[in-house]
Amino acid sequence: KAGVTQTPRYLIKTRGQQVTLSCSPISGHRSVSWYQQTPGQGLQFLFEYFSETQRNKGNFPGRFSGRQFSNSRSEMNVSTLELGDSALYLCASSRGTGGYTFGSGTRLTVV
Amino acid sequence: ILNVEQSPQSLHVQEGDSTNFTCSFPSSNFYALHWYRWETAKSPEALFVMTLNGDEKKKGRISATLNTKEGYSYLYIKGSQPEDSATYLCAFPMNYGGATNKLIFGTGTLLAVQP
Repeated sequence: KAGVTQTPRYLIKTRGQQVTLSCSPISGHRSVSWYQQTPGQGLQFLFEYFSETQRNKGNFPGRFSGRQFSNSRSEMNVSTLELGDSALYLCASSRGTGGYTFGSGTRLTVV
Repeated sequence: ILNVEQSPQSLHVQEGDSTNFTCSFPSSNFYALHWYRWETAKSPEALFVMTLNGDEKKKGRISATLNTKEGYSYLYIKGSQPEDSATYLCAFPMNYGGATNKLIFGTGTLLAVQP
């Protein structure tokens, strides 16, 4: 079965720009969550969506936002990019219980 | 602030060695404990979801145990192989009224197995 698909795989943006990342979950998985990994930091929770509703949000500034569509696909957006936003962004889907299935991630570089 | 800690931070072993690492988590309000394996350039892969105190799960040469009362889990790899080289992450799901939608990850144990 198809896994979690994230696009694009790599992205280079300039400070001040905005970026949108996409995540298509496993069919039947209604929960999509996003995580950020920066060098020296573990995976940090950004937010989680279930049935188009944000259920939880991590400790990130308002420049980080997301949404989920009726087909469970999710997007996250980062506005006014800063150098510190350079990171690997992972999305994960689940049925709500049990383990999560992760995508391969989007590597964002802000220059 | 909820802390999930893993030790050691990194481990270098020879092929054939057995090894183990630790994950410590809050013992109160326990719901489950996840283990993931993350190989370089790949996605984190779920290994185990553990829910019961005293639980022991096994997948090939990898096994894990759980002690919810004292707040720790051990991951064991028997007869390590080079393909076991990866970062091993544990994660503690936050429980919100029965729905878990936020994983608190440890910083991982990086395992390198030398042939």
